[in-house]
Amino acid sequence: SQQGEEDPQALSIQEGENATMNCSYKTSINNLQWYRQNSGRGLVHLILIRSNEREKHSGRLRVTLDTSKKSSSLLITASRAADTASYFCATGGYNNNDMRFGAGTRLTVKP
Amino acid sequence: DAGVIQSPRHEVTEMGQEVTLRCKLISGHNSLFWYRQTMMRGLELLIYFNNNVPIDDSGMPEDRFSAKMPNASFSTLKIQPSEPRDSAVYFCASSLSYSGNTIYFGEGSWLTVV
Repeated sequence: SQQGEEDPQALSIQEGENATMNCSYKTSINNLQWYRQNSGRGLVHLILIRSNEREKHSGRLRVTLDTSKKSSSLLITASRAADTASYFCATGGYNNNDMRFGAGTRLTVKP
Repeated sequence: DAGVIQSPRHEVTEMGQEVTLRCKLISGHNSLFWYRQTMMRGLELLIYFNNNVPIDDSGMPEDRFSAKMPNASFSTLKIQPSEPRDSAVYFCASSLSYSGNTIYFGEGSWLTVV
C-alpha cells in the first residue's frame, strides 16, 4: 500500500513567512496529493501532482515532486493565520483505491 | 452538490452497544472509503469499496467492525459491540475510481464510547 509520511510533525511561523512541509513515500506512485484539515473538520483536497510532473502551482501553493528521492514538498508562500491547519500527503497507485495518509504536519501561523 | 454526507455527526454510547455510522456518497462517485482518525494512530484507512464491492478491508481492526454498501450511493460502518478504544472520528470519503482523482471527505462522525 502507498503511504506518505510528512515532516516536520509541527511547524510554527509568523504570518507573512513561507511554510515548507515535506512528504516521503516508499513505493512507486502514479500521483501524490496534498490535503488540508482544519480542526474538527474533514480533509479538503489542495493539489495533485502526477508522477511525470516535477512542480505545480496553485495560488500561494507550490508543490514539487522528486520521484528519484520519493519525496514531495508543499510550500505555502506569504502565510496567513487562516492557513493554520494540519496538512497531509497521500500517494496514489494506478487506480485511486489505495489512498493512505501520513500523520500530517500541524502548521500554526501566528498573526 | 451536497458533498459527502455523514451521520450522526456526534454520538456518545455506552460500551457494548451497537454503533452504526452512515455515509452518502457524492452522486456519480463509485469509490467509497472509511477512515478512522485518532491522536495516537493518525488517519487510518479501514476499508474501501469500488462499485459497491469491498476491495481491501485489511484496515478493519477486528470482527466487531463491519461495513456495507447496500446500494451505489450509501454505506454503513457498524461496530458491535463497541468498546472505549473505538472512540475516534470516523470519516467517509468518495471519489471516482480511476487514478488521480480527488477524494472528497465528509465532516466526520465523532464517536465516544464510555
